[in-house]
Amino acid sequence: KQEVTQIPAALSVPEGENLVLNCSFTDSAIYNLQWFRQDPGKGLTSLLLIQSSQREQTSGRLNASLDKSSGRSTLYIAASQPGDSATYLCAVHTSGGSYIPTFGRGTSLIVHP
Amino acid sequence: SQTIHQWPATLVQPVGSPLSLECTVEGTSNPNLYWYRQAAGRGLQLLFYSVGIGQISSEVPQNLSASRPQDRQFILSSKKLLLSDSGFYLCAHNRDPGELFFGEGSRLTVL
Repeated sequence: KQEVTQIPAALSVPEGENLVLNCSFTDSAIYNLQWFRQDPGKGLTSLLLIQSSQREQTSGRLNASLDKSSGRSTLYIAASQPGDSATYLCAVHTSGGSYIPTFGRGTSLIVHP
Repeated sequence: SQTIHQWPATLVQPVGSPLSLECTVEGTSNPNLYWYRQAAGRGLQLLFYSVGIGQISSEVPQNLSASRPQDRQFILSSKKLLLSDSGFYLCAHNRDPGELFFGEGSRLTVL
């Protein structure tokens, strides 16, 4: 059974820092991995989707990498801003017939001015 | 483009009352549909998923049920709410096993 872990659970940093959020998974046979952002009281917003054949994806100040063999993905946020404050979740689609993505519990990020 | 709508956005219900939350997807056909619950301080809990009309799989035994009367409509229901049903309910969709999209959520408070 796939298990997804996100470390750290919470992070507080000053504005301008470059950040790395971690996501690890136990079964490396995945279709893809997806990073989300969730603001308080809101739904999840898709940030980046990495297919299993890809090593990284970039969108603006966000860069997500994938290392299937080690079961890890990182979300890099460059030059963090207070508006980046949110909870970041990763989800993994595992190969083998299941349609169900497995979620980590998220990293709660606060970027203070 | 694909959009997903959930309603109502907020709901306050007494214990023992019925529940109906609706989710509708636009801009895609034959999507996989999901209902998740997010309780305070906890992760996402998958409640139900559906791969087609009338096909519902339950992940957690409870007093909730789901139905898919149309291809792009997913309904979460209860005949009698419990206090423990309070939470934030999220509907999501994707095409196998593609990018997952979420609605804005429905906040349920059971008193």
